[in-house]
Amino acid sequence: QSVLTQPPSASGTPGQRVTISCSGSSSNIGSNTVNWYQHLPGTAPKLLIYSNNQRPSGVPDRFSGSKSGTSASLAISGLQSEDEADYYCAAWDDSLNGVVFGGGTKLTVL
Amino acid sequence: QVQLVESGGGVVQPGRSLRLSCAASGFTFSNFGMHWVRQAPGKGLEWVTLIWFDGSKKFYADSVKGRFTISRDNSKSTLYLQVDSLRAEDTAVYYCARARACSTTRCQYFDYWGQGTLVTVSS
Repeated sequence: QSVLTQPPSASGTPGQRVTISCSGSSSNIGSNTVNWYQHLPGTAPKLLIYSNNQRPSGVPDRFSGSKSGTSASLAISGLQSEDEADYYCAAWDDSLNGVVFGGGTKLTVL
Repeated sequence: QVQLVESGGGVVQPGRSLRLSCAASGFTFSNFGMHWVRQAPGKGLEWVTLIWFDGSKKFYADSVKGRFTISRDNSKSTLYLQVDSLRAEDTAVYYCARARACSTTRCQYFDYWGQGTLVTVSS
């Protein structure tokens, strides 16, 4: 059981916009930044969004993040086939003194 | 460019030990905290441990506390994870990752990850 809650799956057709939610509590998302990672099996995970809504250089602006209270979301617009991957939210947890992850969302591009 | 290369994984019997390494290059290793994160087969990412840039602070997930030890050698730009008393549930790919946005009590995210090393615990 993950500390942060994400839907296990999401899907969309090319060009569509999809959103992935991430729900936590006051000790993690409520008091720390939310960060998103993209992971393709067999490869190194990649930082997608940091500090709630910041994109590292090289990440397309099709990817955006937001946070409100103890919840956050990742939006992907103009969906492309190469976006098919697992997406994880994560945040520092002040009660656990460590990083907590969501269970991951498998995105399928139909 | 930043590179993190893990090594040391393999097949090990329950109760035995292993030492994982993560060789860093392309940045000043001694300026950054470092994490280990793992992924069990078919499961999601799980944070394991964090070490401060100078080794002065260490944090562990409850699932590994007392069995795993993180350390670093800044002169060799290398991060280590000593894994003792291994259990079947420790079977996973272990990734090292560079810590960012660190304050005195936490590091908020990871910006670079290695490709991982597989640890299989089986008799």
